[in-house]
Amino acid sequence: LAKTTQPISMDSYEGQEVNITCSHNNIATNDYITWYQQFPSQGPRFIIQGYKTKVTNEVASLFIPADRKSSTLSLPRVSLSDTAVYYCLVGDLPNQAGTALIFGKGTTLSVSS
Amino acid sequence: NAGVTQTPKFQVLKTGQSMTLQCAQDMNHNSMYWYRQDPGMGLRLIYYSASEGTTDKGEVPNGYNVSRLNKREFSLRLESAAPSQTSVYFCASRRTGTVNTGELFFGEGSRLTVL
Repeated sequence: LAKTTQPISMDSYEGQEVNITCSHNNIATNDYITWYQQFPSQGPRFIIQGYKTKVTNEVASLFIPADRKSSTLSLPRVSLSDTAVYYCLVGDLPNQAGTALIFGKGTTLSVSS
Repeated sequence: NAGVTQTPKFQVLKTGQSMTLQCAQDMNHNSMYWYRQDPGMGLRLIYYSASEGTTDKGEVPNGYNVSRLNKREFSLRLESAAPSQTSVYFCASRRTGTVNTGELFFGEGSRLTVL
């Protein structure tokens, strides 16, 4: 997987939009960008995946600039229940079976009322 | 649809004891993984199995052994438990190829305390 860099922590208030940026300067042509969310005492769960431009689902949006060296996870109108750790992974996850999927430290998002 | 099932959910061991954590998935996934997560820390990869019959070391394999028993099951064994192995252990699986995200599906975790 490509090396990624994320902020260690972020704070927000309920109702605000939160943007978490991940840097991945060494992204390869076949790599996808995948974000996971982890609540306390639970395993991470998949949020969103993209290759280029913008991807949106019912939970979040993922913005990827043309050079693909970074990506931004956008959480619209966060609530207290969005308090979690968010991980960015960069690799050819859809196709590479024999891949050591190593998570970084992630970004701890704390949402307050 | 059970997904990824881990047993046991909780276990207390004494230093030097051995035990096996069991993991089974019913999604016909080819790849399986074992992670550990210490309090306030990120996930660290112990071992993984790209497919039935193959296993590879991850970031922190020392003190552990694994067995990919069949496509469904991937077990993690601690031969001589140490207090430093106190952690939450997560098993995960994923499918690759054929138009999918290759996302990881995690079990609920096994909380191990070594005294």
